[in-house]
Amino acid sequence: EAQVTQNPRYLITVTGKKLTVTCSQNMNHEYMSWYRQDPGLGLRQIYYSMNVEVTDKGDVPEGYKVSRKEKRNFPLILESPSPNQTSLYFCASRRASDTQYFGPGTRLTVL
Amino acid sequence: RKEVEQDPGPFNVPEGATVAFNCTYSNSASQSFFWYRQDCRKEPKLLMSVYSSGNEDGRFTAQLNRASQYISLLIRDSKLSDSATYLCVVYNQGGKLIFGQGTELSVKP
Repeated sequence: EAQVTQNPRYLITVTGKKLTVTCSQNMNHEYMSWYRQDPGLGLRQIYYSMNVEVTDKGDVPEGYKVSRKEKRNFPLILESPSPNQTSLYFCASRRASDTQYFGPGTRLTVL
Repeated sequence: RKEVEQDPGPFNVPEGATVAFNCTYSNSASQSFFWYRQDCRKEPKLLMSVYSSGNEDGRFTAQLNRASQYISLLIRDSKLSDSATYLCVVYNQGGKLIFGQGTELSVKP
């Protein structure tokens, strides 16, 4: 089954404790992205990647890192999480101008 | 001005009603257009692509007006299960996906 998976789905952590949210897709898509979704602000892109070892900042990259060592994986790293990073996070993948597929989301709470 | 703008709603309609959403985009070079549906706290999923000639999928009709730079989604004979947030999505010239903030629809019995 074609899909985008994210882990963990839910996470409660404390300020400053490094965390990684994993994302994997099995569709051989070139493009992968991370978004955060907050009430009233819609989906905002954090980082995106056009292929292996090619990443670039989205609209709200501060406080986040990503890597793309393999085509299928695109982890999101929060080196020192802060409460303003409490949000719903979505990973997504697509081919060029094709349909974008989203992962199920990760609900992160930073205390 | 936002690149993609939608009326956030909420639109509260009775079952069986016809409801229309509009979305405007600012970049005249935008290339592709989509409507996504998002249920509460879940991931957005593609509802339908929007073609220049307009397209229909059952009760759903999408239209594109390039001259006025807007796209629309019409839902006929609304069902309770249509309650969701509808996201307008535009590919801009640089190949970046731009999302509208979404229009919330609530269909009541």
